[in-house]
Amino acid sequence: SQQGEEDPQALSIQEGENATMNCSYKTSINNLQWYRQNSGRGLVHLILIRSNEREKHSGRLRVTLDTSKKSSSLLITASRAADTASYFCATDKIQGAQKLVFGQGTRLTINP
Amino acid sequence: KAGVTQTPRYLIKTRGQQVTLSCSPISGHRSVSWYQQTPGQGLQFLFEYFSETQRNKGNFPGRFSGRQFSNSRSEMNVSTLELGDSALYLCASSFRPAADTGELFFGEGSRLTVL
Repeated sequence: SQQGEEDPQALSIQEGENATMNCSYKTSINNLQWYRQNSGRGLVHLILIRSNEREKHSGRLRVTLDTSKKSSSLLITASRAADTASYFCATDKIQGAQKLVFGQGTRLTINP
Repeated sequence: KAGVTQTPRYLIKTRGQQVTLSCSPISGHRSVSWYQQTPGQGLQFLFEYFSETQRNKGNFPGRFSGRQFSNSRSEMNVSTLELGDSALYLCASSFRPAADTGELFFGEGSRLTVL
């Protein structure tokens, strides 16, 4: 079963605009990660945020984590055509088997 | 250093056949995780191997199996293929067990089509 669920499933914006994607999860976690996948390729790690952190930045990426709501958001500022990809959140699990579980992903399209 | 290498990249099989996929992790990485990706189910965890031992297993039938060798290379096997096994199979490696580390390094995947 999926741990994380991304919202929206698809997002289409104009180049230069900001893109926000959300991830909700069900169980307590140690950390949450975001990955990007270009069409038909492997996933690339973007950023990790730990359960005791609330916000993290990396270049044009900003990730927030609200453990009380069991949700995270990924903000991409000043989007570029090259940001067109699918974005996935991944969570570990404190309870039960330790493994990384991915959500269904958000398909982001940046229109030039 | 070289990234995660998966072979073959593309393959076509027919129902009832079996298939073996290979994954060579980044040098020094001891954990290899396998995922199945389909449009309908997304990324589904298959199993993880660490130092030749299966550490975790997802909810897949026994037709799906894997192993890891002493050089950390891993193989997964699917027997008695079904149409629903058509998917992109992704391998990811890390130095420590996947849930203990901060980042997985993915290969480009093996795209399996079952006819």
